[in-house]
Amino acid sequence: AQKITQTQPGMFVQEKEAVTLDCTYDTSDQSYGLFWYKQPSSGEMIFLIYQGSYDEQNATEGRYSLNFQKARKSANLVISASQLGDSAMYFCAMSRGYSTLTFGKGTMLLVSP
Amino acid sequence: DTGVSQDPRHKITKRGQNVTFRCDPISEHNRLYWYRQTLGQGPEFLTYFQNEAQLEKSRLLSDRFSAERPKGSFSTLEIQRTEQGDSAMYLCASSRSDTGRGNEQFFGPGTRLTVL
Repeated sequence: AQKITQTQPGMFVQEKEAVTLDCTYDTSDQSYGLFWYKQPSSGEMIFLIYQGSYDEQNATEGRYSLNFQKARKSANLVISASQLGDSAMYFCAMSRGYSTLTFGKGTMLLVSP
Repeated sequence: DTGVSQDPRHKITKRGQNVTFRCDPISEHNRLYWYRQTLGQGPEFLTYFQNEAQLEKSRLLSDRFSAERPKGSFSTLEIQRTEQGDSAMYLCASSRSDTGRGNEQFFGPGTRLTVL
């Protein structure tokens, strides 16, 4: 069975600073994908970034980067230069067989001016 | 390119009533997923389709839940004899099965169900 653990219920950061959201995972699969999604108060899940288990380089998408440490089974999200609009719930997820997603409980990020 | 749409956005019903939700995926996506999200939790997988075939169902999907995807386009999720524990946000997502980005799923806005 797959499991995603997000140990930070909430994080605070000042605008323009960088922040790291933690995610650890557990799986017996050799091939899997790791994702981060953002969920604003409106409720829609917004895809941010993807990392494949065989990818050797860390994924980056604009201000988002994924710090993938396979041996530690961690996939932390780094947001550089935080903006007020980044305030939202952030979910780490893992794909099983490149189909269904297993999500963590999420981290609430609040960005202050 | 329109995104995933869901209807209705909100549904309030009395315990014991049946409800049906609809999801329209992104047009070129052959996979469609249903998830359920309760307050303070991440989404939990319910079921998914590839084209019109229902390939997997979670143990969370009791006998009162049924999903269909006729003709491999839109999908419906029906809950019969609703219970208060069914109150949740029901999320639909779609994807292509042949992407190089690990099956990136695009989510709809969700249907919030409240069972009184």
